[in-house]
Amino acid sequence: GAGVSQSPRYKVAKRGQDVALRCDPISGHVSLFWYQQALGQGPEFLTYFQNEAQLDKSGLPSDRFFAERPEGSVSTLKIQRTQQEDSAVYLCASSWPGPRGNEQFFGPGTRLTVL
Amino acid sequence: AQSVSQHNHHVILSEAASLELGCNYSYGGTVNLFWYVQYPGQHLQLLLKYFSGDPLVKGIKGFEAEFIKSKFSFNLRKPSVQWSDTAEYFCASSIGGDQTGANNLFFGTGTRLTVIP
Repeated sequence: GAGVSQSPRYKVAKRGQDVALRCDPISGHVSLFWYQQALGQGPEFLTYFQNEAQLDKSGLPSDRFFAERPEGSVSTLKIQRTQQEDSAVYLCASSWPGPRGNEQFFGPGTRLTVL
Repeated sequence: AQSVSQHNHHVILSEAASLELGCNYSYGGTVNLFWYVQYPGQHLQLLLKYFSGDPLVKGIKGFEAEFIKSKFSFNLRKPSVQWSDTAEYFCASSIGGDQTGANNLFFGTGTRLTVIP
């Protein structure tokens, strides 16, 4: 079956523009995560959904970042008024429900460049 | 708070050499530990994970890792590397235990492995 998909794969935005990044998780995966990976760094947690409920958004760096998953499947990460420091790869991951050791399956990421 | 440290930023080895990549985590409670690999142009893939039980974990492609609780370490090893092992390797941790519910991962900064044919 298909893995996690993300679109677009690459996005160039002018500073101040709004962007929307999409994640299609593996069918049936209840849990969905967003991570931000800056150049030369490991991924850092942004937010987590269980079905449509956003249970943890402690990693969102500012109120310009907003995520939703209205029907419990596809998720969108929106960044308003983009800044240069938002340039990074945004990764989406999904997993089955169950014990905390469950594997997270990652998508290819969206590389955002803010000029 | 959790953190993960990977002290080797870039490792260069010849084929057939043995590999050990260091990983230390900070969380003092029950912990799950993971090694992910990212091959050039591909997405992150799970190599192996420690959840509970035997501290020596075997993963795909001949990789293994040992959980040493007293040292807060989870080093990755492979006895003989191949050119195809060239990739970025990330160690990660999450809160462990038997409770259900997902947990976000805390990643190290990654180690780039270059294997010379």
